[in-house]
Amino acid sequence: DSGVTQTPKHLITATGQRVTLRCSPRSGDLSVYWYQQSLDQGLQFLIQYYNGEERAKGNILERFSAQQFPDLHSELNLSSLELGDSALYFCASSEEGVSPTYEQYFGPGTRLTVT
Amino acid sequence: GENVEQHPSTLSVQEGDSAVIKCTYSDSASNYFPWYKQELGKRPQLIIDIRSNVGEKKDQRIAVTLNKTAKHFSLHITETQPEDSAVYFCAARRNTGNQFYFGTGTSLTVIP
Repeated sequence: DSGVTQTPKHLITATGQRVTLRCSPRSGDLSVYWYQQSLDQGLQFLIQYYNGEERAKGNILERFSAQQFPDLHSELNLSSLELGDSALYFCASSEEGVSPTYEQYFGPGTRLTVT
Repeated sequence: GENVEQHPSTLSVQEGDSAVIKCTYSDSASNYFPWYKQELGKRPQLIIDIRSNVGEKKDQRIAVTLNKTAKHFSLHITETQPEDSAVYFCAARRNTGNQFYFGTGTSLTVIP
């Protein structure tokens, strides 16, 4: 158990719908990262938040948005869902400091199926 | 930004043989290089990492080497076992607080 929690574990929804994925980082970790992993694909970086502010943006669609709240948990919002959005969505967290070598801890993922 | 390339995409070895996976990176300012192992349907887990001020690091059957001049780093697994079968990802990071750049993954199969 990495200490990063994600809910829900599984989500099945229809095209055109909107869903929210939730992530709670490890206690004390300031950075939260979101990744998308489609079947047999690599990890596609979506977005990073650091202490409540957006730090880096990857290949995140305009239909997707995220935020990090004052208690450091984060939510990823996916709207106007398409079949191609079906994937495993991972959240990861990392402690930040002077050293760059802080490990990134991954949550168990949320498996989204769009029908 | 950084670009991390990983080869090969698939690798099959006999049990007991060694496996080597290679990654190259483009940003000379990257200074932290972790390797992750991901079993089917599970989360990626860190198996070994290396900083740019070190050339090699070993942990039992796993080792990572880094060539800063050539901007490449490699994962070496010796005496492979069937439980080593998984997808392995390399990554690079520039500074604390910045994003991790991942390679595309290598699917390793160890044949008993």
